[in-house]
Amino acid sequence: EAQVTQNPRYLITVTGKKLTVTCSQNMNHEYMSWYRQDPGLGLRQIYYSMNVEVTDKGDVPEGYKVSRKEKRNFPLILESPSPNQTSLYFCASSTLAGVTDTQYFGPGTRLTVL
Amino acid sequence: RKEVEQDPGPFNVPEGATVAFNCTYSNSASQSFFWYRQDCRKEPKLLMSVYSSGNEDGRFTAQLNRASQYISLLIRDSKLSDSATYLCVVNLYTGNQFYFGTGTSLTVIP
Repeated sequence: EAQVTQNPRYLITVTGKKLTVTCSQNMNHEYMSWYRQDPGLGLRQIYYSMNVEVTDKGDVPEGYKVSRKEKRNFPLILESPSPNQTSLYFCASSTLAGVTDTQYFGPGTRLTVL
Repeated sequence: RKEVEQDPGPFNVPEGATVAFNCTYSNSASQSFFWYRQDCRKEPKLLMSVYSSGNEDGRFTAQLNRASQYISLLIRDSKLSDSATYLCVVNLYTGNQFYFGTGTSLTVIP
């Protein structure tokens, strides 16, 4: 089954404790992206990647890191989480040729930083 | 100024009604346009892309007006299953960045 998976689905942590949210897709997509969703603000793009070893900042990259060492994986790293990073996070992927077409989203990761 | 703006609603309509959502975008360099549907904080799913000539998929019709920089979604003969949040999405092709509206909430009432 074609899908985007994220882990963990739920995470409660404390300020300053480094964490990684994993994202993996099995569709051989070149384009992958991370978003956060907050009430009243909608989805905002954090980082995106056009291919392996190619990453770019989105609208709200501060406080986040990403890496793209393999085509299928695109982890999101919070080196020192803060309460304002409490949010619902979505990973998404699409074909490069279809980067202007369908994005497939993972199920989301609900993060709470205390 | 937000890249994409939508009326958040909520829209509460009876079954069988026709409902229309509008969305405006600020960047004239925007290249691609979409409507996504999101159910109750689940992942967004593509409803339809929006083409310059307008396009229709069953009960759903999408229109793009580049001159006025807005896109619209029309839902005819609303079903209970149409209840969801509808997200307007714009892509700046030069940067491969996506901008989402905050979403319009629709509830279809029996």
